[in-house]
Amino acid sequence: SQKIEQNSEALNIQEGKTATLTCNYTNYSPAYLQWYRQDPGRGPVFLLLIRENEKEKRKERLKVTFDTTLKQSLFHITASQPADSATYLCALLSYSGNTPLVFGKGTRLSVIA
Amino acid sequence: GAVVSQHPSWVICKSGTSVKIECRSLDFQATTMFWYRQFPKQSLMLMATSNEGSKATYEQGVEKDKFLINHASLTLSTLTVTSAHPEDSSFYICSARWTGGKNIQYFGAGTRLSVL
Repeated sequence: SQKIEQNSEALNIQEGKTATLTCNYTNYSPAYLQWYRQDPGRGPVFLLLIRENEKEKRKERLKVTFDTTLKQSLFHITASQPADSATYLCALLSYSGNTPLVFGKGTRLSVIA
Repeated sequence: GAVVSQHPSWVICKSGTSVKIECRSLDFQATTMFWYRQFPKQSLMLMATSNEGSKATYEQGVEKDKFLINHASLTLSTLTVTSAHPEDSSFYICSARWTGGKNIQYFGAGTRLSVL
């Protein structure tokens, strides 16, 4: 069966360091991989999308890599700040029409000042 | 980015009553919208896929007679929780996919439903 694993349920990191979150998947061939941020009591907020034929995407302090051979995506936040503390969700989407996003369980990131 | 508006953000109701939640895509048309449910400290669980002008597709285990979904226009989908019971208390989140925008899926802010 399809499976998405975000390896760490929780990650603590010191302010200013780079946070690296991992998303691995099995039995799935995604066309797109998306990362979202979710704060408590709020809906997910879209951060970045990367296509299967792309290796890396950047947006300000965020960087996403996508390795379809390893079936893995890494999500980096450089120069992390306490305001980056949230749950980060990895989500996969196939090509097929209206198929829904499939989400990982998320990693709760805490950036400590 | 695109905006999805969800209303209400919080609702308390008595057991046995029905509650309607609205989801609107404000600046794009969405032929497909999705409804999710989330329990504390868990990930989003897809309840149903809503297609404009046709019946929703429900995930296994989701009662379609309890969770009525209507997607009457390209910018509006509604979820009605009928005859709500305390076990229906949860966080409900809608989402709309902007097919004109690289298949990015945007989410509403969520609705916290508490059934007394």
